[in-house]
Amino acid sequence: NAGVTQTPKFRILKIGQSMTLQCAQDMNHNYMYWYRQDPGMGLKLIYYSVGAGITDKGEVPNGYNVSRSTTEDFPLRLELAAPSQTSVYFCASSLRTGPSGGANVLTFGAGSRLTVL
Amino acid sequence: GENVEQHPSTLSVQEGDSAVIKCTYSDSASNYFPWYKQELGKRPQLIIDIRSNVGEKKDQRIAVTLNKTAKHFSLHITETQPEDSAVYFCAASKGGSYIPTFGRGTSLIVHP
Repeated sequence: NAGVTQTPKFRILKIGQSMTLQCAQDMNHNYMYWYRQDPGMGLKLIYYSVGAGITDKGEVPNGYNVSRSTTEDFPLRLELAAPSQTSVYFCASSLRTGPSGGANVLTFGAGSRLTVL
Repeated sequence: GENVEQHPSTLSVQEGDSAVIKCTYSDSASNYFPWYKQELGKRPQLIIDIRSNVGEKKDQRIAVTLNKTAKHFSLHITETQPEDSAVYFCAASKGGSYIPTFGRGTSLIVHP
């Protein structure tokens, strides 16, 4: 199993450009997440999905969009890139097996470093 | 929503010393508390977790304690080694929402 695969690893964008960060998992996980990591700020949740066709906003969704057409893929779209979106982006996934939740162990991708100039 | 505070932001210790990182949470319904370790340039990975029905859990040199009444939990690392140098994140989540909220992270530096 490859786990969680993110592409690209690095990208430089100009202000106003758009791009999509790709994320794929092969563990048949139902939950998927996008976080951004800024120095000293921890991991901030952008969007998450509890299954194919279902997405919801996290703490910092402005300027981003997501879709979940399949269980495996969860791309993150940046429209009209701004310098404030310079960050490291992590995709993650987890498996929820029952309504009571239980242990939610996240498997992270390797990260995508985005710079907006 | 849930709010997780983590302290200290930076912790510097000598090899062989113990290290303690503390987190507090705001939502009394939270029932699952994982700790993730992120080495420089790498992805976060789970190192230990604890559920609300347990007060302490150990795994070799690391342990986590939970005080539900005070709504805080701590990570303890004994006999620290240079390879323990990393950023450590605590998180909290509850059965209903299942979505973890992370603390801001603690940069642990172990000097040889």
